[in-house]
Amino acid sequence: EDQVTQSPEALRLQEGESSSLNCSYTVSGLRGLFWYRQDPGKGPEFLFTLYSAGEEKEKERLKATLTKKESFLHITAPKPEDSATYLCAVQAEQFSSGSARQLTFGSGTQLTVLP
Amino acid sequence: EPEVTQTPSHQVTQMGQEVILRCVPISNHLYFYWYRQILGQKVEFLVSFYNNEISEKSEIFDDQFSVERPDGSNFTLKIRSTKLEDSAMYFCASSNTGTGGDTQYFGPGTRLTVL
Repeated sequence: EDQVTQSPEALRLQEGESSSLNCSYTVSGLRGLFWYRQDPGKGPEFLFTLYSAGEEKEKERLKATLTKKESFLHITAPKPEDSATYLCAVQAEQFSSGSARQLTFGSGTQLTVLP
Repeated sequence: EPEVTQTPSHQVTQMGQEVILRCVPISNHLYFYWYRQILGQKVEFLVSFYNNEISEKSEIFDDQFSVERPDGSNFTLKIRSTKLEDSAMYFCASSNTGTGGDTQYFGPGTRLTVL
């Protein structure tokens, strides 16, 4: 069974204080690891897809990295508008041609950036 | 920018009643998904749909649930006889392909409240 564990559960940062969020996973053949941002009462908003160990992607103050067992979301000099819950999800190998493969989500890290 | 839309944003129903949640996926996408998120819990996969049939479903998706693509644009989730424990946010998602870690884009969600 695919599993995703995110830590910490909650993180409070001062504006400008850089930090990292962790996502540990076990999956029967990783097809992709996804990071989403979720604001209260809203749907997950796509941030990054990572496919293989060693891959890195950046967007503004966010940088996602991937190893064979975990992924990190680095937040550099965060601003209050970066406050949200950050979700990690994995997609396993497809089991048959043309199948639509589910995502397995972690519980998320609730990030609060104080001005 | 194309986006997934969902209606209604909030649905209140009495236990035992039938509800239909509606989604309009991104227009050129071929793979469709329903997820749910009980308040304070993880996003959980319900079902995926491709080529007019269910591709994959979770244990949550029992005989009380059904999905349909009634026309070229809509994708619906029906709950035949709602239970209190069905109260949750329901998210529709779509992707261009089902494999290779292709990104799933989520709608804003429908908050279902069962009284």
